[in-house]
Amino acid sequence: ETGVTQTPRHLVMGMTNKKSLKCEQHLGHNAMYWYKQSAKKPLELMFVYNFKEQTENNSVPSRFSPECPNSSHLFLHLHTLQPEDSALYLCASSQSGGRSSYEQYFGPGTRLTVT
Amino acid sequence: AQSVTQLGSHVSVSEGALVLLRCNYSSSVPPYLFWYVQYPNQGLQLLLKYTSAATLVKGINDFEAEFKKSETSFHLTKPSAHMSDAAEYFCAVSEGSSASKIIFGSGTRLSIRP
Repeated sequence: ETGVTQTPRHLVMGMTNKKSLKCEQHLGHNAMYWYKQSAKKPLELMFVYNFKEQTENNSVPSRFSPECPNSSHLFLHLHTLQPEDSALYLCASSQSGGRSSYEQYFGPGTRLTVT
Repeated sequence: AQSVTQLGSHVSVSEGALVLLRCNYSSSVPPYLFWYVQYPNQGLQLLLKYTSAATLVKGINDFEAEFKKSETSFHLTKPSAHMSDAAEYFCAVSEGSSASKIIFGSGTRLSIRP
């Protein structure tokens, strides 16, 4: 596997379910990100992890719970979601430390539908 | 503070015509600038980046962008559009001070007419 992978690619869940999204990067990066992409809205940064430590949480509801066990893996645990949470969830990774361009490399995304 | 503005949420060109997607940025320090492309149901793919080495940057699939400091612009061009270029394009800016501080534009959807 190369680059950034995400599983599952598609997920349908009810509002009372609990599910998790997984992201893995094979690029040797130290920073990982979760984004939400909804139709007709700008890309929304949700969480940032730098060297496994959460460095940003952009006012994301607690029904979204991230986990970063190491620099290569990132999870997004979901519970009691709302229909408006239906979106494409994108994971990305980048280098970190010092002044750098920090371009981010994205996974293919998980298309989440909440019914 | 950084910001990026993409002019035109939707651009339509004929196959073989010039593609021009506009991006203007705001940054308090010399910026790093990026263009990403997103095909349907896929993630964002880096097309090219500007890191101050050269003002004209060449990317994949014959795309290029020119950094113009005086105009605070970083427009994306391609001489001849192909049907396969139909996608969403995002301009982004970073000040390079933190791994999290990449600001994305709202995107421009490019359609190609046969």
